[in-house]
Amino acid sequence: GQNIDQPTEMTATEGAIVQINCTYQTSGFNGLFWYQQHAGEAPTFLSYNVLDGLEEKGRFSSFLSRSKGYSYLLLKELQMKDSASYLCAVRDSNYQLIWGAGTKLIIKP
Amino acid sequence: DGGITQSPKYLFRKEGQNVTLSCEQNLNHDAMYWYRQDPGQGLRLIYYSQIVNDFQKGDIAEGYSVSREKKESFPLTVTSAQKNPTAFYLCASSITGTSGPDTQYFGPGTRLTVL
Repeated sequence: GQNIDQPTEMTATEGAIVQINCTYQTSGFNGLFWYQQHAGEAPTFLSYNVLDGLEEKGRFSSFLSRSKGYSYLLLKELQMKDSASYLCAVRDSNYQLIWGAGTKLIIKP
Repeated sequence: DGGITQSPKYLFRKEGQNVTLSCEQNLNHDAMYWYRQDPGQGLRLIYYSQIVNDFQKGDIAEGYSVSREKKESFPLTVTSAQKNPTAFYLCASSITGTSGPDTQYFGPGTRLTVL
């Protein structure tokens, strides 16, 4: 079967750095997405990786290793507004997105 | 402003009643999707459509129906056959549904509660 694994919850301190990991086993691979979702709201797109390596966008970076079935989202200079769930999703060979359950990130002052 | 709208934001229905959730987009996207989100689970695909007048079942289509008569609109009906309909429903759209990065963009969601 297809599977996406992420930690359920993480806690970090304002101003610090946090890394959220995602491992996947899917039927084929056509890209990996990270979304941010605040409680009760819709997911918003953060990043897309299809080739190995690091993609940087301001305070957020995302890394992909296709051989290891592994990605991480790195958040720097954490702000209170970064408290949210972070969803990892992989596009499989049928071009469908397979979603992880999300990682709830709690930021403490 | 381009975007995806869903209405209503909150919906309450009695058990045994059918209910239709609205989804409209003005992004000129070909593909549209319906997902269901339950606590502690990833998004699960109900139905998707890559072109007008055509749609495909997702992983959990039983008890749901859709139509795609216009490019902009993809309404979802939750029927009385759906065993556990209380959930947060998300509509999304993407440019093609078949190629490229094809990022999916989401509407604000409808929280359905069946009493």
